[in-house]
Amino acid sequence: EAEVAQSPRYKITEKSQAVAFWCDPISGHATLYWYRQILGQGPELLVQFQDESVVDDSQLPKDRFSAERLKGVDSTLKIQPAELGDSAMYLCASSFGPDTYEQYFGPGTRLTVT
Amino acid sequence: GENVEQHPSTLSVQEGDSAVIKCTYSDSASNYFPWYKQELGKGPQLIIDIRSNVGEKKDQRIAVTLNKTAKHFSLHITETQPEDSAVYFCAASRGADFGNEKLTFGTGTRLTIIP
Repeated sequence: EAEVAQSPRYKITEKSQAVAFWCDPISGHATLYWYRQILGQGPELLVQFQDESVVDDSQLPKDRFSAERLKGVDSTLKIQPAELGDSAMYLCASSFGPDTYEQYFGPGTRLTVT
Repeated sequence: GENVEQHPSTLSVQEGDSAVIKCTYSDSASNYFPWYKQELGKGPQLIIDIRSNVGEKKDQRIAVTLNKTAKHFSLHITETQPEDSAVYFCAASRGADFGNEKLTFGTGTRLTIIP
Protein backbone atom coordinates (compact mmCIF):
# COMPACT_ATOMS: atom_id res chain seq x y z
CA GLU A 1 0.00 0.00 0.00
CA ALA A 2 1.42 3.39 -1.03
CA GLU A 3 2.25 5.73 1.83
CA VAL A 4 3.44 9.26 2.42
CA ALA A 5 7.03 9.22 3.65
CA GLN A 6 8.47 11.77 6.07
CA SER A 7 11.86 12.23 7.66
CA PRO A 8 13.18 12.60 10.21
CA ARG A 9 10.59 11.08 12.52
CA TYR A 10 11.94 12.97 15.51
CA LYS A 11 14.02 16.13 15.77
CA ILE A 12 15.36 17.95 18.79
CA THR A 13 16.87 21.34 18.19
CA GLU A 14 17.84 24.39 20.21
CA LYS A 15 15.98 27.64 19.74
CA SER A 16 17.46 29.94 17.10
CA GLN A 17 18.75 26.96 15.12
CA ALA A 18 17.53 25.98 11.66
CA VAL A 19 15.58 22.79 11.07
CA ALA A 20 14.21 21.10 7.96
CA PHE A 21 11.66 18.39 7.31
CA TRP A 22 11.23 16.29 4.20
CA CYS A 23 8.15 14.73 2.65
CA ASP A 24 7.66 12.34 -0.25
CA PRO A 25 3.97 12.06 -1.21
CA ILE A 26 2.21 9.04 -2.61
CA SER A 27 3.36 8.48 -6.17
CA GLY A 28 1.18 10.36 -8.64
CA HIS A 29 -0.30 12.71 -6.07
CA ALA A 30 -0.15 16.24 -7.39
CA THR A 31 -1.37 18.04 -4.26
CA LEU A 32 0.79 18.19 -1.15
CA TYR A 33 -0.05 19.72 2.21
CA TRP A 34 1.97 20.57 5.30
CA TYR A 35 0.01 20.65 8.55
CA ARG A 36 1.16 21.44 12.08
CA GLN A 37 -0.36 19.61 15.03
CA ILE A 38 0.15 20.97 18.51
CA LEU A 39 -0.20 18.37 21.25
CA GLY A 40 -3.84 17.81 22.12
CA GLN A 41 -5.19 19.64 19.08
CA GLY A 42 -6.17 18.86 15.52
CA PRO A 43 -3.82 19.53 12.62
CA GLU A 44 -3.80 23.00 11.05
CA LEU A 45 -2.77 23.71 7.48
CA LEU A 46 0.48 25.58 6.94
CA VAL A 47 0.89 25.37 3.17
CA GLN A 48 -0.66 23.64 0.16
CA PHE A 49 1.10 22.88 -3.14
CA GLN A 50 -0.41 21.97 -6.46
CA ASP A 51 2.51 20.41 -8.34
CA GLU A 52 5.33 22.90 -7.72
CA SER A 53 3.10 25.93 -7.12
CA VAL A 54 1.89 27.24 -3.78
CA VAL A 55 -1.90 27.31 -3.63
CA ASP A 56 -2.37 28.46 -0.03
CA ASP A 57 0.25 29.65 2.41
CA SER A 58 -1.92 32.10 4.30
CA GLN A 59 -1.23 30.37 7.64
CA LEU A 60 2.51 29.95 7.12
CA PRO A 61 4.60 32.25 9.37
CA LYS A 62 6.70 33.52 6.52
CA ASP A 63 9.18 35.38 8.68
CA ARG A 64 10.64 32.06 9.81
CA PHE A 65 9.01 29.27 7.81
CA SER A 66 9.60 28.40 4.18
CA ALA A 67 8.43 25.54 2.00
CA GLU A 68 9.35 24.35 -1.42
CA ARG A 69 8.43 21.65 -3.89
CA LEU A 70 10.84 22.38 -6.69
CA LYS A 71 10.08 19.49 -9.03
CA GLY A 72 6.51 18.97 -7.99
CA VAL A 73 7.25 15.72 -6.19
CA ASP A 74 8.91 15.78 -2.78
CA SER A 75 8.87 18.80 -0.52
CA THR A 76 10.90 20.44 2.22
CA LEU A 77 9.62 22.58 5.08
CA LYS A 78 12.18 24.75 6.85
CA ILE A 79 12.13 26.75 10.05
CA GLN A 80 14.81 29.35 10.71
CA PRO A 81 15.21 30.34 13.46
CA ALA A 82 13.29 27.82 15.52
CA GLU A 83 11.38 29.11 18.57
CA LEU A 84 10.12 27.25 21.62
CA GLY A 85 6.54 27.61 20.37
CA ASP A 86 7.38 25.66 17.22
CA SER A 87 7.45 22.40 19.18
CA ALA A 88 4.77 20.29 17.51
CA MET A 89 4.14 17.42 15.10
CA TYR A 90 4.64 18.42 11.48
CA LEU A 91 2.47 16.35 9.18
CA CYS A 92 2.62 15.99 5.44
CA ALA A 93 -0.42 14.87 3.47
CA SER A 94 -1.09 14.30 -0.20
CA SER A 95 -4.03 13.89 -2.51
CA PHE A 96 -4.36 12.88 -6.13
CA GLY A 97 -5.03 16.43 -7.27
CA PRO A 98 -7.78 18.84 -8.22
CA ASP A 99 -11.29 17.42 -8.10
CA THR A 100 -10.28 14.86 -5.48
CA TYR A 101 -11.20 14.87 -1.85
CA GLU A 102 -9.23 12.31 0.13
CA GLN A 103 -6.03 13.38 1.88
CA TYR A 104 -3.57 10.80 3.15
CA PHE A 105 -1.15 11.63 5.93
CA GLY A 106 2.39 10.57 6.61
CA PRO A 107 3.71 9.53 10.04
CA GLY A 108 4.84 13.07 10.90
CA THR A 109 7.98 14.64 12.32
CA ARG A 110 7.90 15.34 16.04
CA LEU A 111 9.87 18.56 16.65
CA THR A 112 11.07 19.56 20.10
CA VAL A 113 12.70 22.96 20.49
CA THR A 114 14.74 23.42 23.67
CA GLY B 1 -13.36 30.64 7.89
CA GLU B 2 -14.59 27.21 8.84
CA ASN B 3 -14.91 26.24 12.50
CA VAL B 4 -15.41 22.62 13.55
CA GLU B 5 -16.45 21.65 17.06
CA GLN B 6 -16.16 18.07 18.31
CA HIS B 7 -17.67 16.31 21.32
CA PRO B 8 -16.94 14.61 23.60
CA SER B 9 -13.25 15.19 24.19
CA THR B 10 -12.92 11.83 25.93
CA LEU B 11 -15.08 8.73 25.70
CA SER B 12 -14.81 5.39 27.45
CA VAL B 13 -16.96 2.44 26.43
CA GLN B 14 -17.07 -1.22 27.31
CA GLU B 15 -15.76 -3.59 24.69
CA GLY B 16 -18.61 -4.65 22.44
CA ASP B 17 -20.66 -1.50 23.07
CA SER B 18 -21.14 1.33 20.57
CA ALA B 19 -19.38 4.69 20.49
CA VAL B 20 -20.69 7.92 18.98
CA ILE B 21 -18.68 11.08 18.33
CA LYS B 22 -20.36 14.27 17.12
CA CYS B 23 -19.14 17.29 15.20
CA THR B 24 -20.66 20.55 14.06
CA TYR B 25 -19.35 22.88 11.38
CA SER B 26 -19.98 26.51 10.49
CA ASP B 27 -19.28 26.92 6.76
CA SER B 28 -22.35 26.07 4.70
CA ALA B 29 -20.07 25.66 1.65
CA SER B 30 -18.29 22.68 3.22
CA ASN B 31 -19.16 19.52 1.34
CA TYR B 32 -16.65 16.90 2.43
CA PHE B 33 -16.42 15.41 5.92
CA PRO B 34 -13.70 12.85 6.68
CA TRP B 35 -12.91 11.08 9.92
CA TYR B 36 -9.37 10.24 10.95
CA LYS B 37 -8.01 7.85 13.55
CA GLN B 38 -4.71 8.77 15.13
CA GLU B 39 -2.73 6.34 17.24
CA LEU B 40 0.03 7.48 19.55
CA GLY B 41 3.06 8.73 17.65
CA LYS B 42 1.48 8.19 14.25
CA GLY B 43 -0.09 10.33 11.58
CA PRO B 44 -3.88 10.51 11.13
CA GLN B 45 -5.39 7.61 9.21
CA LEU B 46 -8.45 8.19 7.06
CA ILE B 47 -11.10 5.71 8.19
CA ILE B 48 -14.29 6.92 6.53
CA ASP B 49 -15.62 10.01 4.81
CA ILE B 50 -18.88 11.39 3.52
CA ARG B 51 -19.79 13.94 0.90
CA SER B 52 -22.69 16.31 1.14
CA ASN B 53 -24.80 14.52 -1.44
CA VAL B 54 -25.45 11.58 0.90
CA GLY B 55 -26.81 11.37 4.42
CA GLU B 56 -25.17 8.19 5.64
CA LYS B 57 -22.29 5.89 4.78
CA LYS B 58 -21.28 2.62 6.35
CA ASP B 59 -18.14 0.50 6.23
CA GLN B 60 -18.33 -2.66 8.34
CA ARG B 61 -18.46 -1.51 11.99
CA ILE B 62 -18.05 2.18 11.18
CA ALA B 63 -20.75 4.55 9.95
CA VAL B 64 -21.00 8.28 9.45
CA THR B 65 -24.17 10.36 9.27
CA LEU B 66 -24.54 13.89 7.96
CA ASN B 67 -27.26 16.47 8.57
CA LYS B 68 -26.53 19.41 6.27
CA THR B 69 -29.46 21.45 7.50
CA ALA B 70 -28.23 21.32 11.09
CA LYS B 71 -24.57 21.34 10.01
CA HIS B 72 -23.58 18.35 12.04
CA PHE B 73 -22.14 14.92 11.37
CA SER B 74 -21.40 11.94 13.54
CA LEU B 75 -19.18 8.87 13.68
CA HIS B 76 -20.67 5.62 14.93
CA ILE B 77 -18.54 2.62 15.86
CA THR B 78 -20.40 -0.57 16.71
CA GLU B 79 -19.12 -3.71 18.46
CA THR B 80 -16.08 -1.83 19.70
CA GLN B 81 -12.78 -3.67 20.10
CA PRO B 82 -9.60 -2.80 22.05
CA GLU B 83 -7.85 -1.82 18.81
CA ASP B 84 -10.42 0.94 18.34
CA SER B 85 -8.75 2.83 21.21
CA ALA B 86 -7.20 5.97 19.68
CA VAL B 87 -7.86 9.68 19.13
CA TYR B 88 -10.48 10.38 16.49
CA PHE B 89 -10.68 13.63 14.55
CA CYS B 90 -13.49 14.93 12.40
CA ALA B 91 -12.76 17.45 9.67
CA ALA B 92 -14.52 19.52 7.06
CA SER B 93 -13.52 21.04 3.75
CA ARG B 94 -14.94 22.42 0.54
CA GLY B 95 -13.76 19.24 -1.07
CA ALA B 96 -12.75 19.59 -4.69
CA ASP B 97 -13.24 23.36 -4.81
CA PHE B 98 -9.74 24.16 -6.07
CA GLY B 99 -7.74 26.17 -3.59
CA ASN B 100 -10.21 25.42 -0.80
CA GLU B 101 -9.45 21.79 -0.16
CA LYS B 102 -7.80 22.41 3.19
CA LEU B 103 -9.16 20.35 6.04
CA THR B 104 -10.36 22.12 9.17
CA PHE B 105 -10.14 19.67 12.04
CA GLY B 106 -12.04 19.30 15.26
CA THR B 107 -10.19 19.11 18.56
CA GLY B 108 -10.27 15.33 18.76
CA THR B 109 -11.92 12.63 20.89
CA ARG B 110 -9.84 10.22 22.89
CA LEU B 111 -11.70 6.90 22.74
CA THR B 112 -10.81 4.22 25.25
CA ILE B 113 -12.26 0.73 24.94
CA ILE B 114 -12.48 -1.01 28.30
CA PRO B 115 -11.91 -4.79 28.02
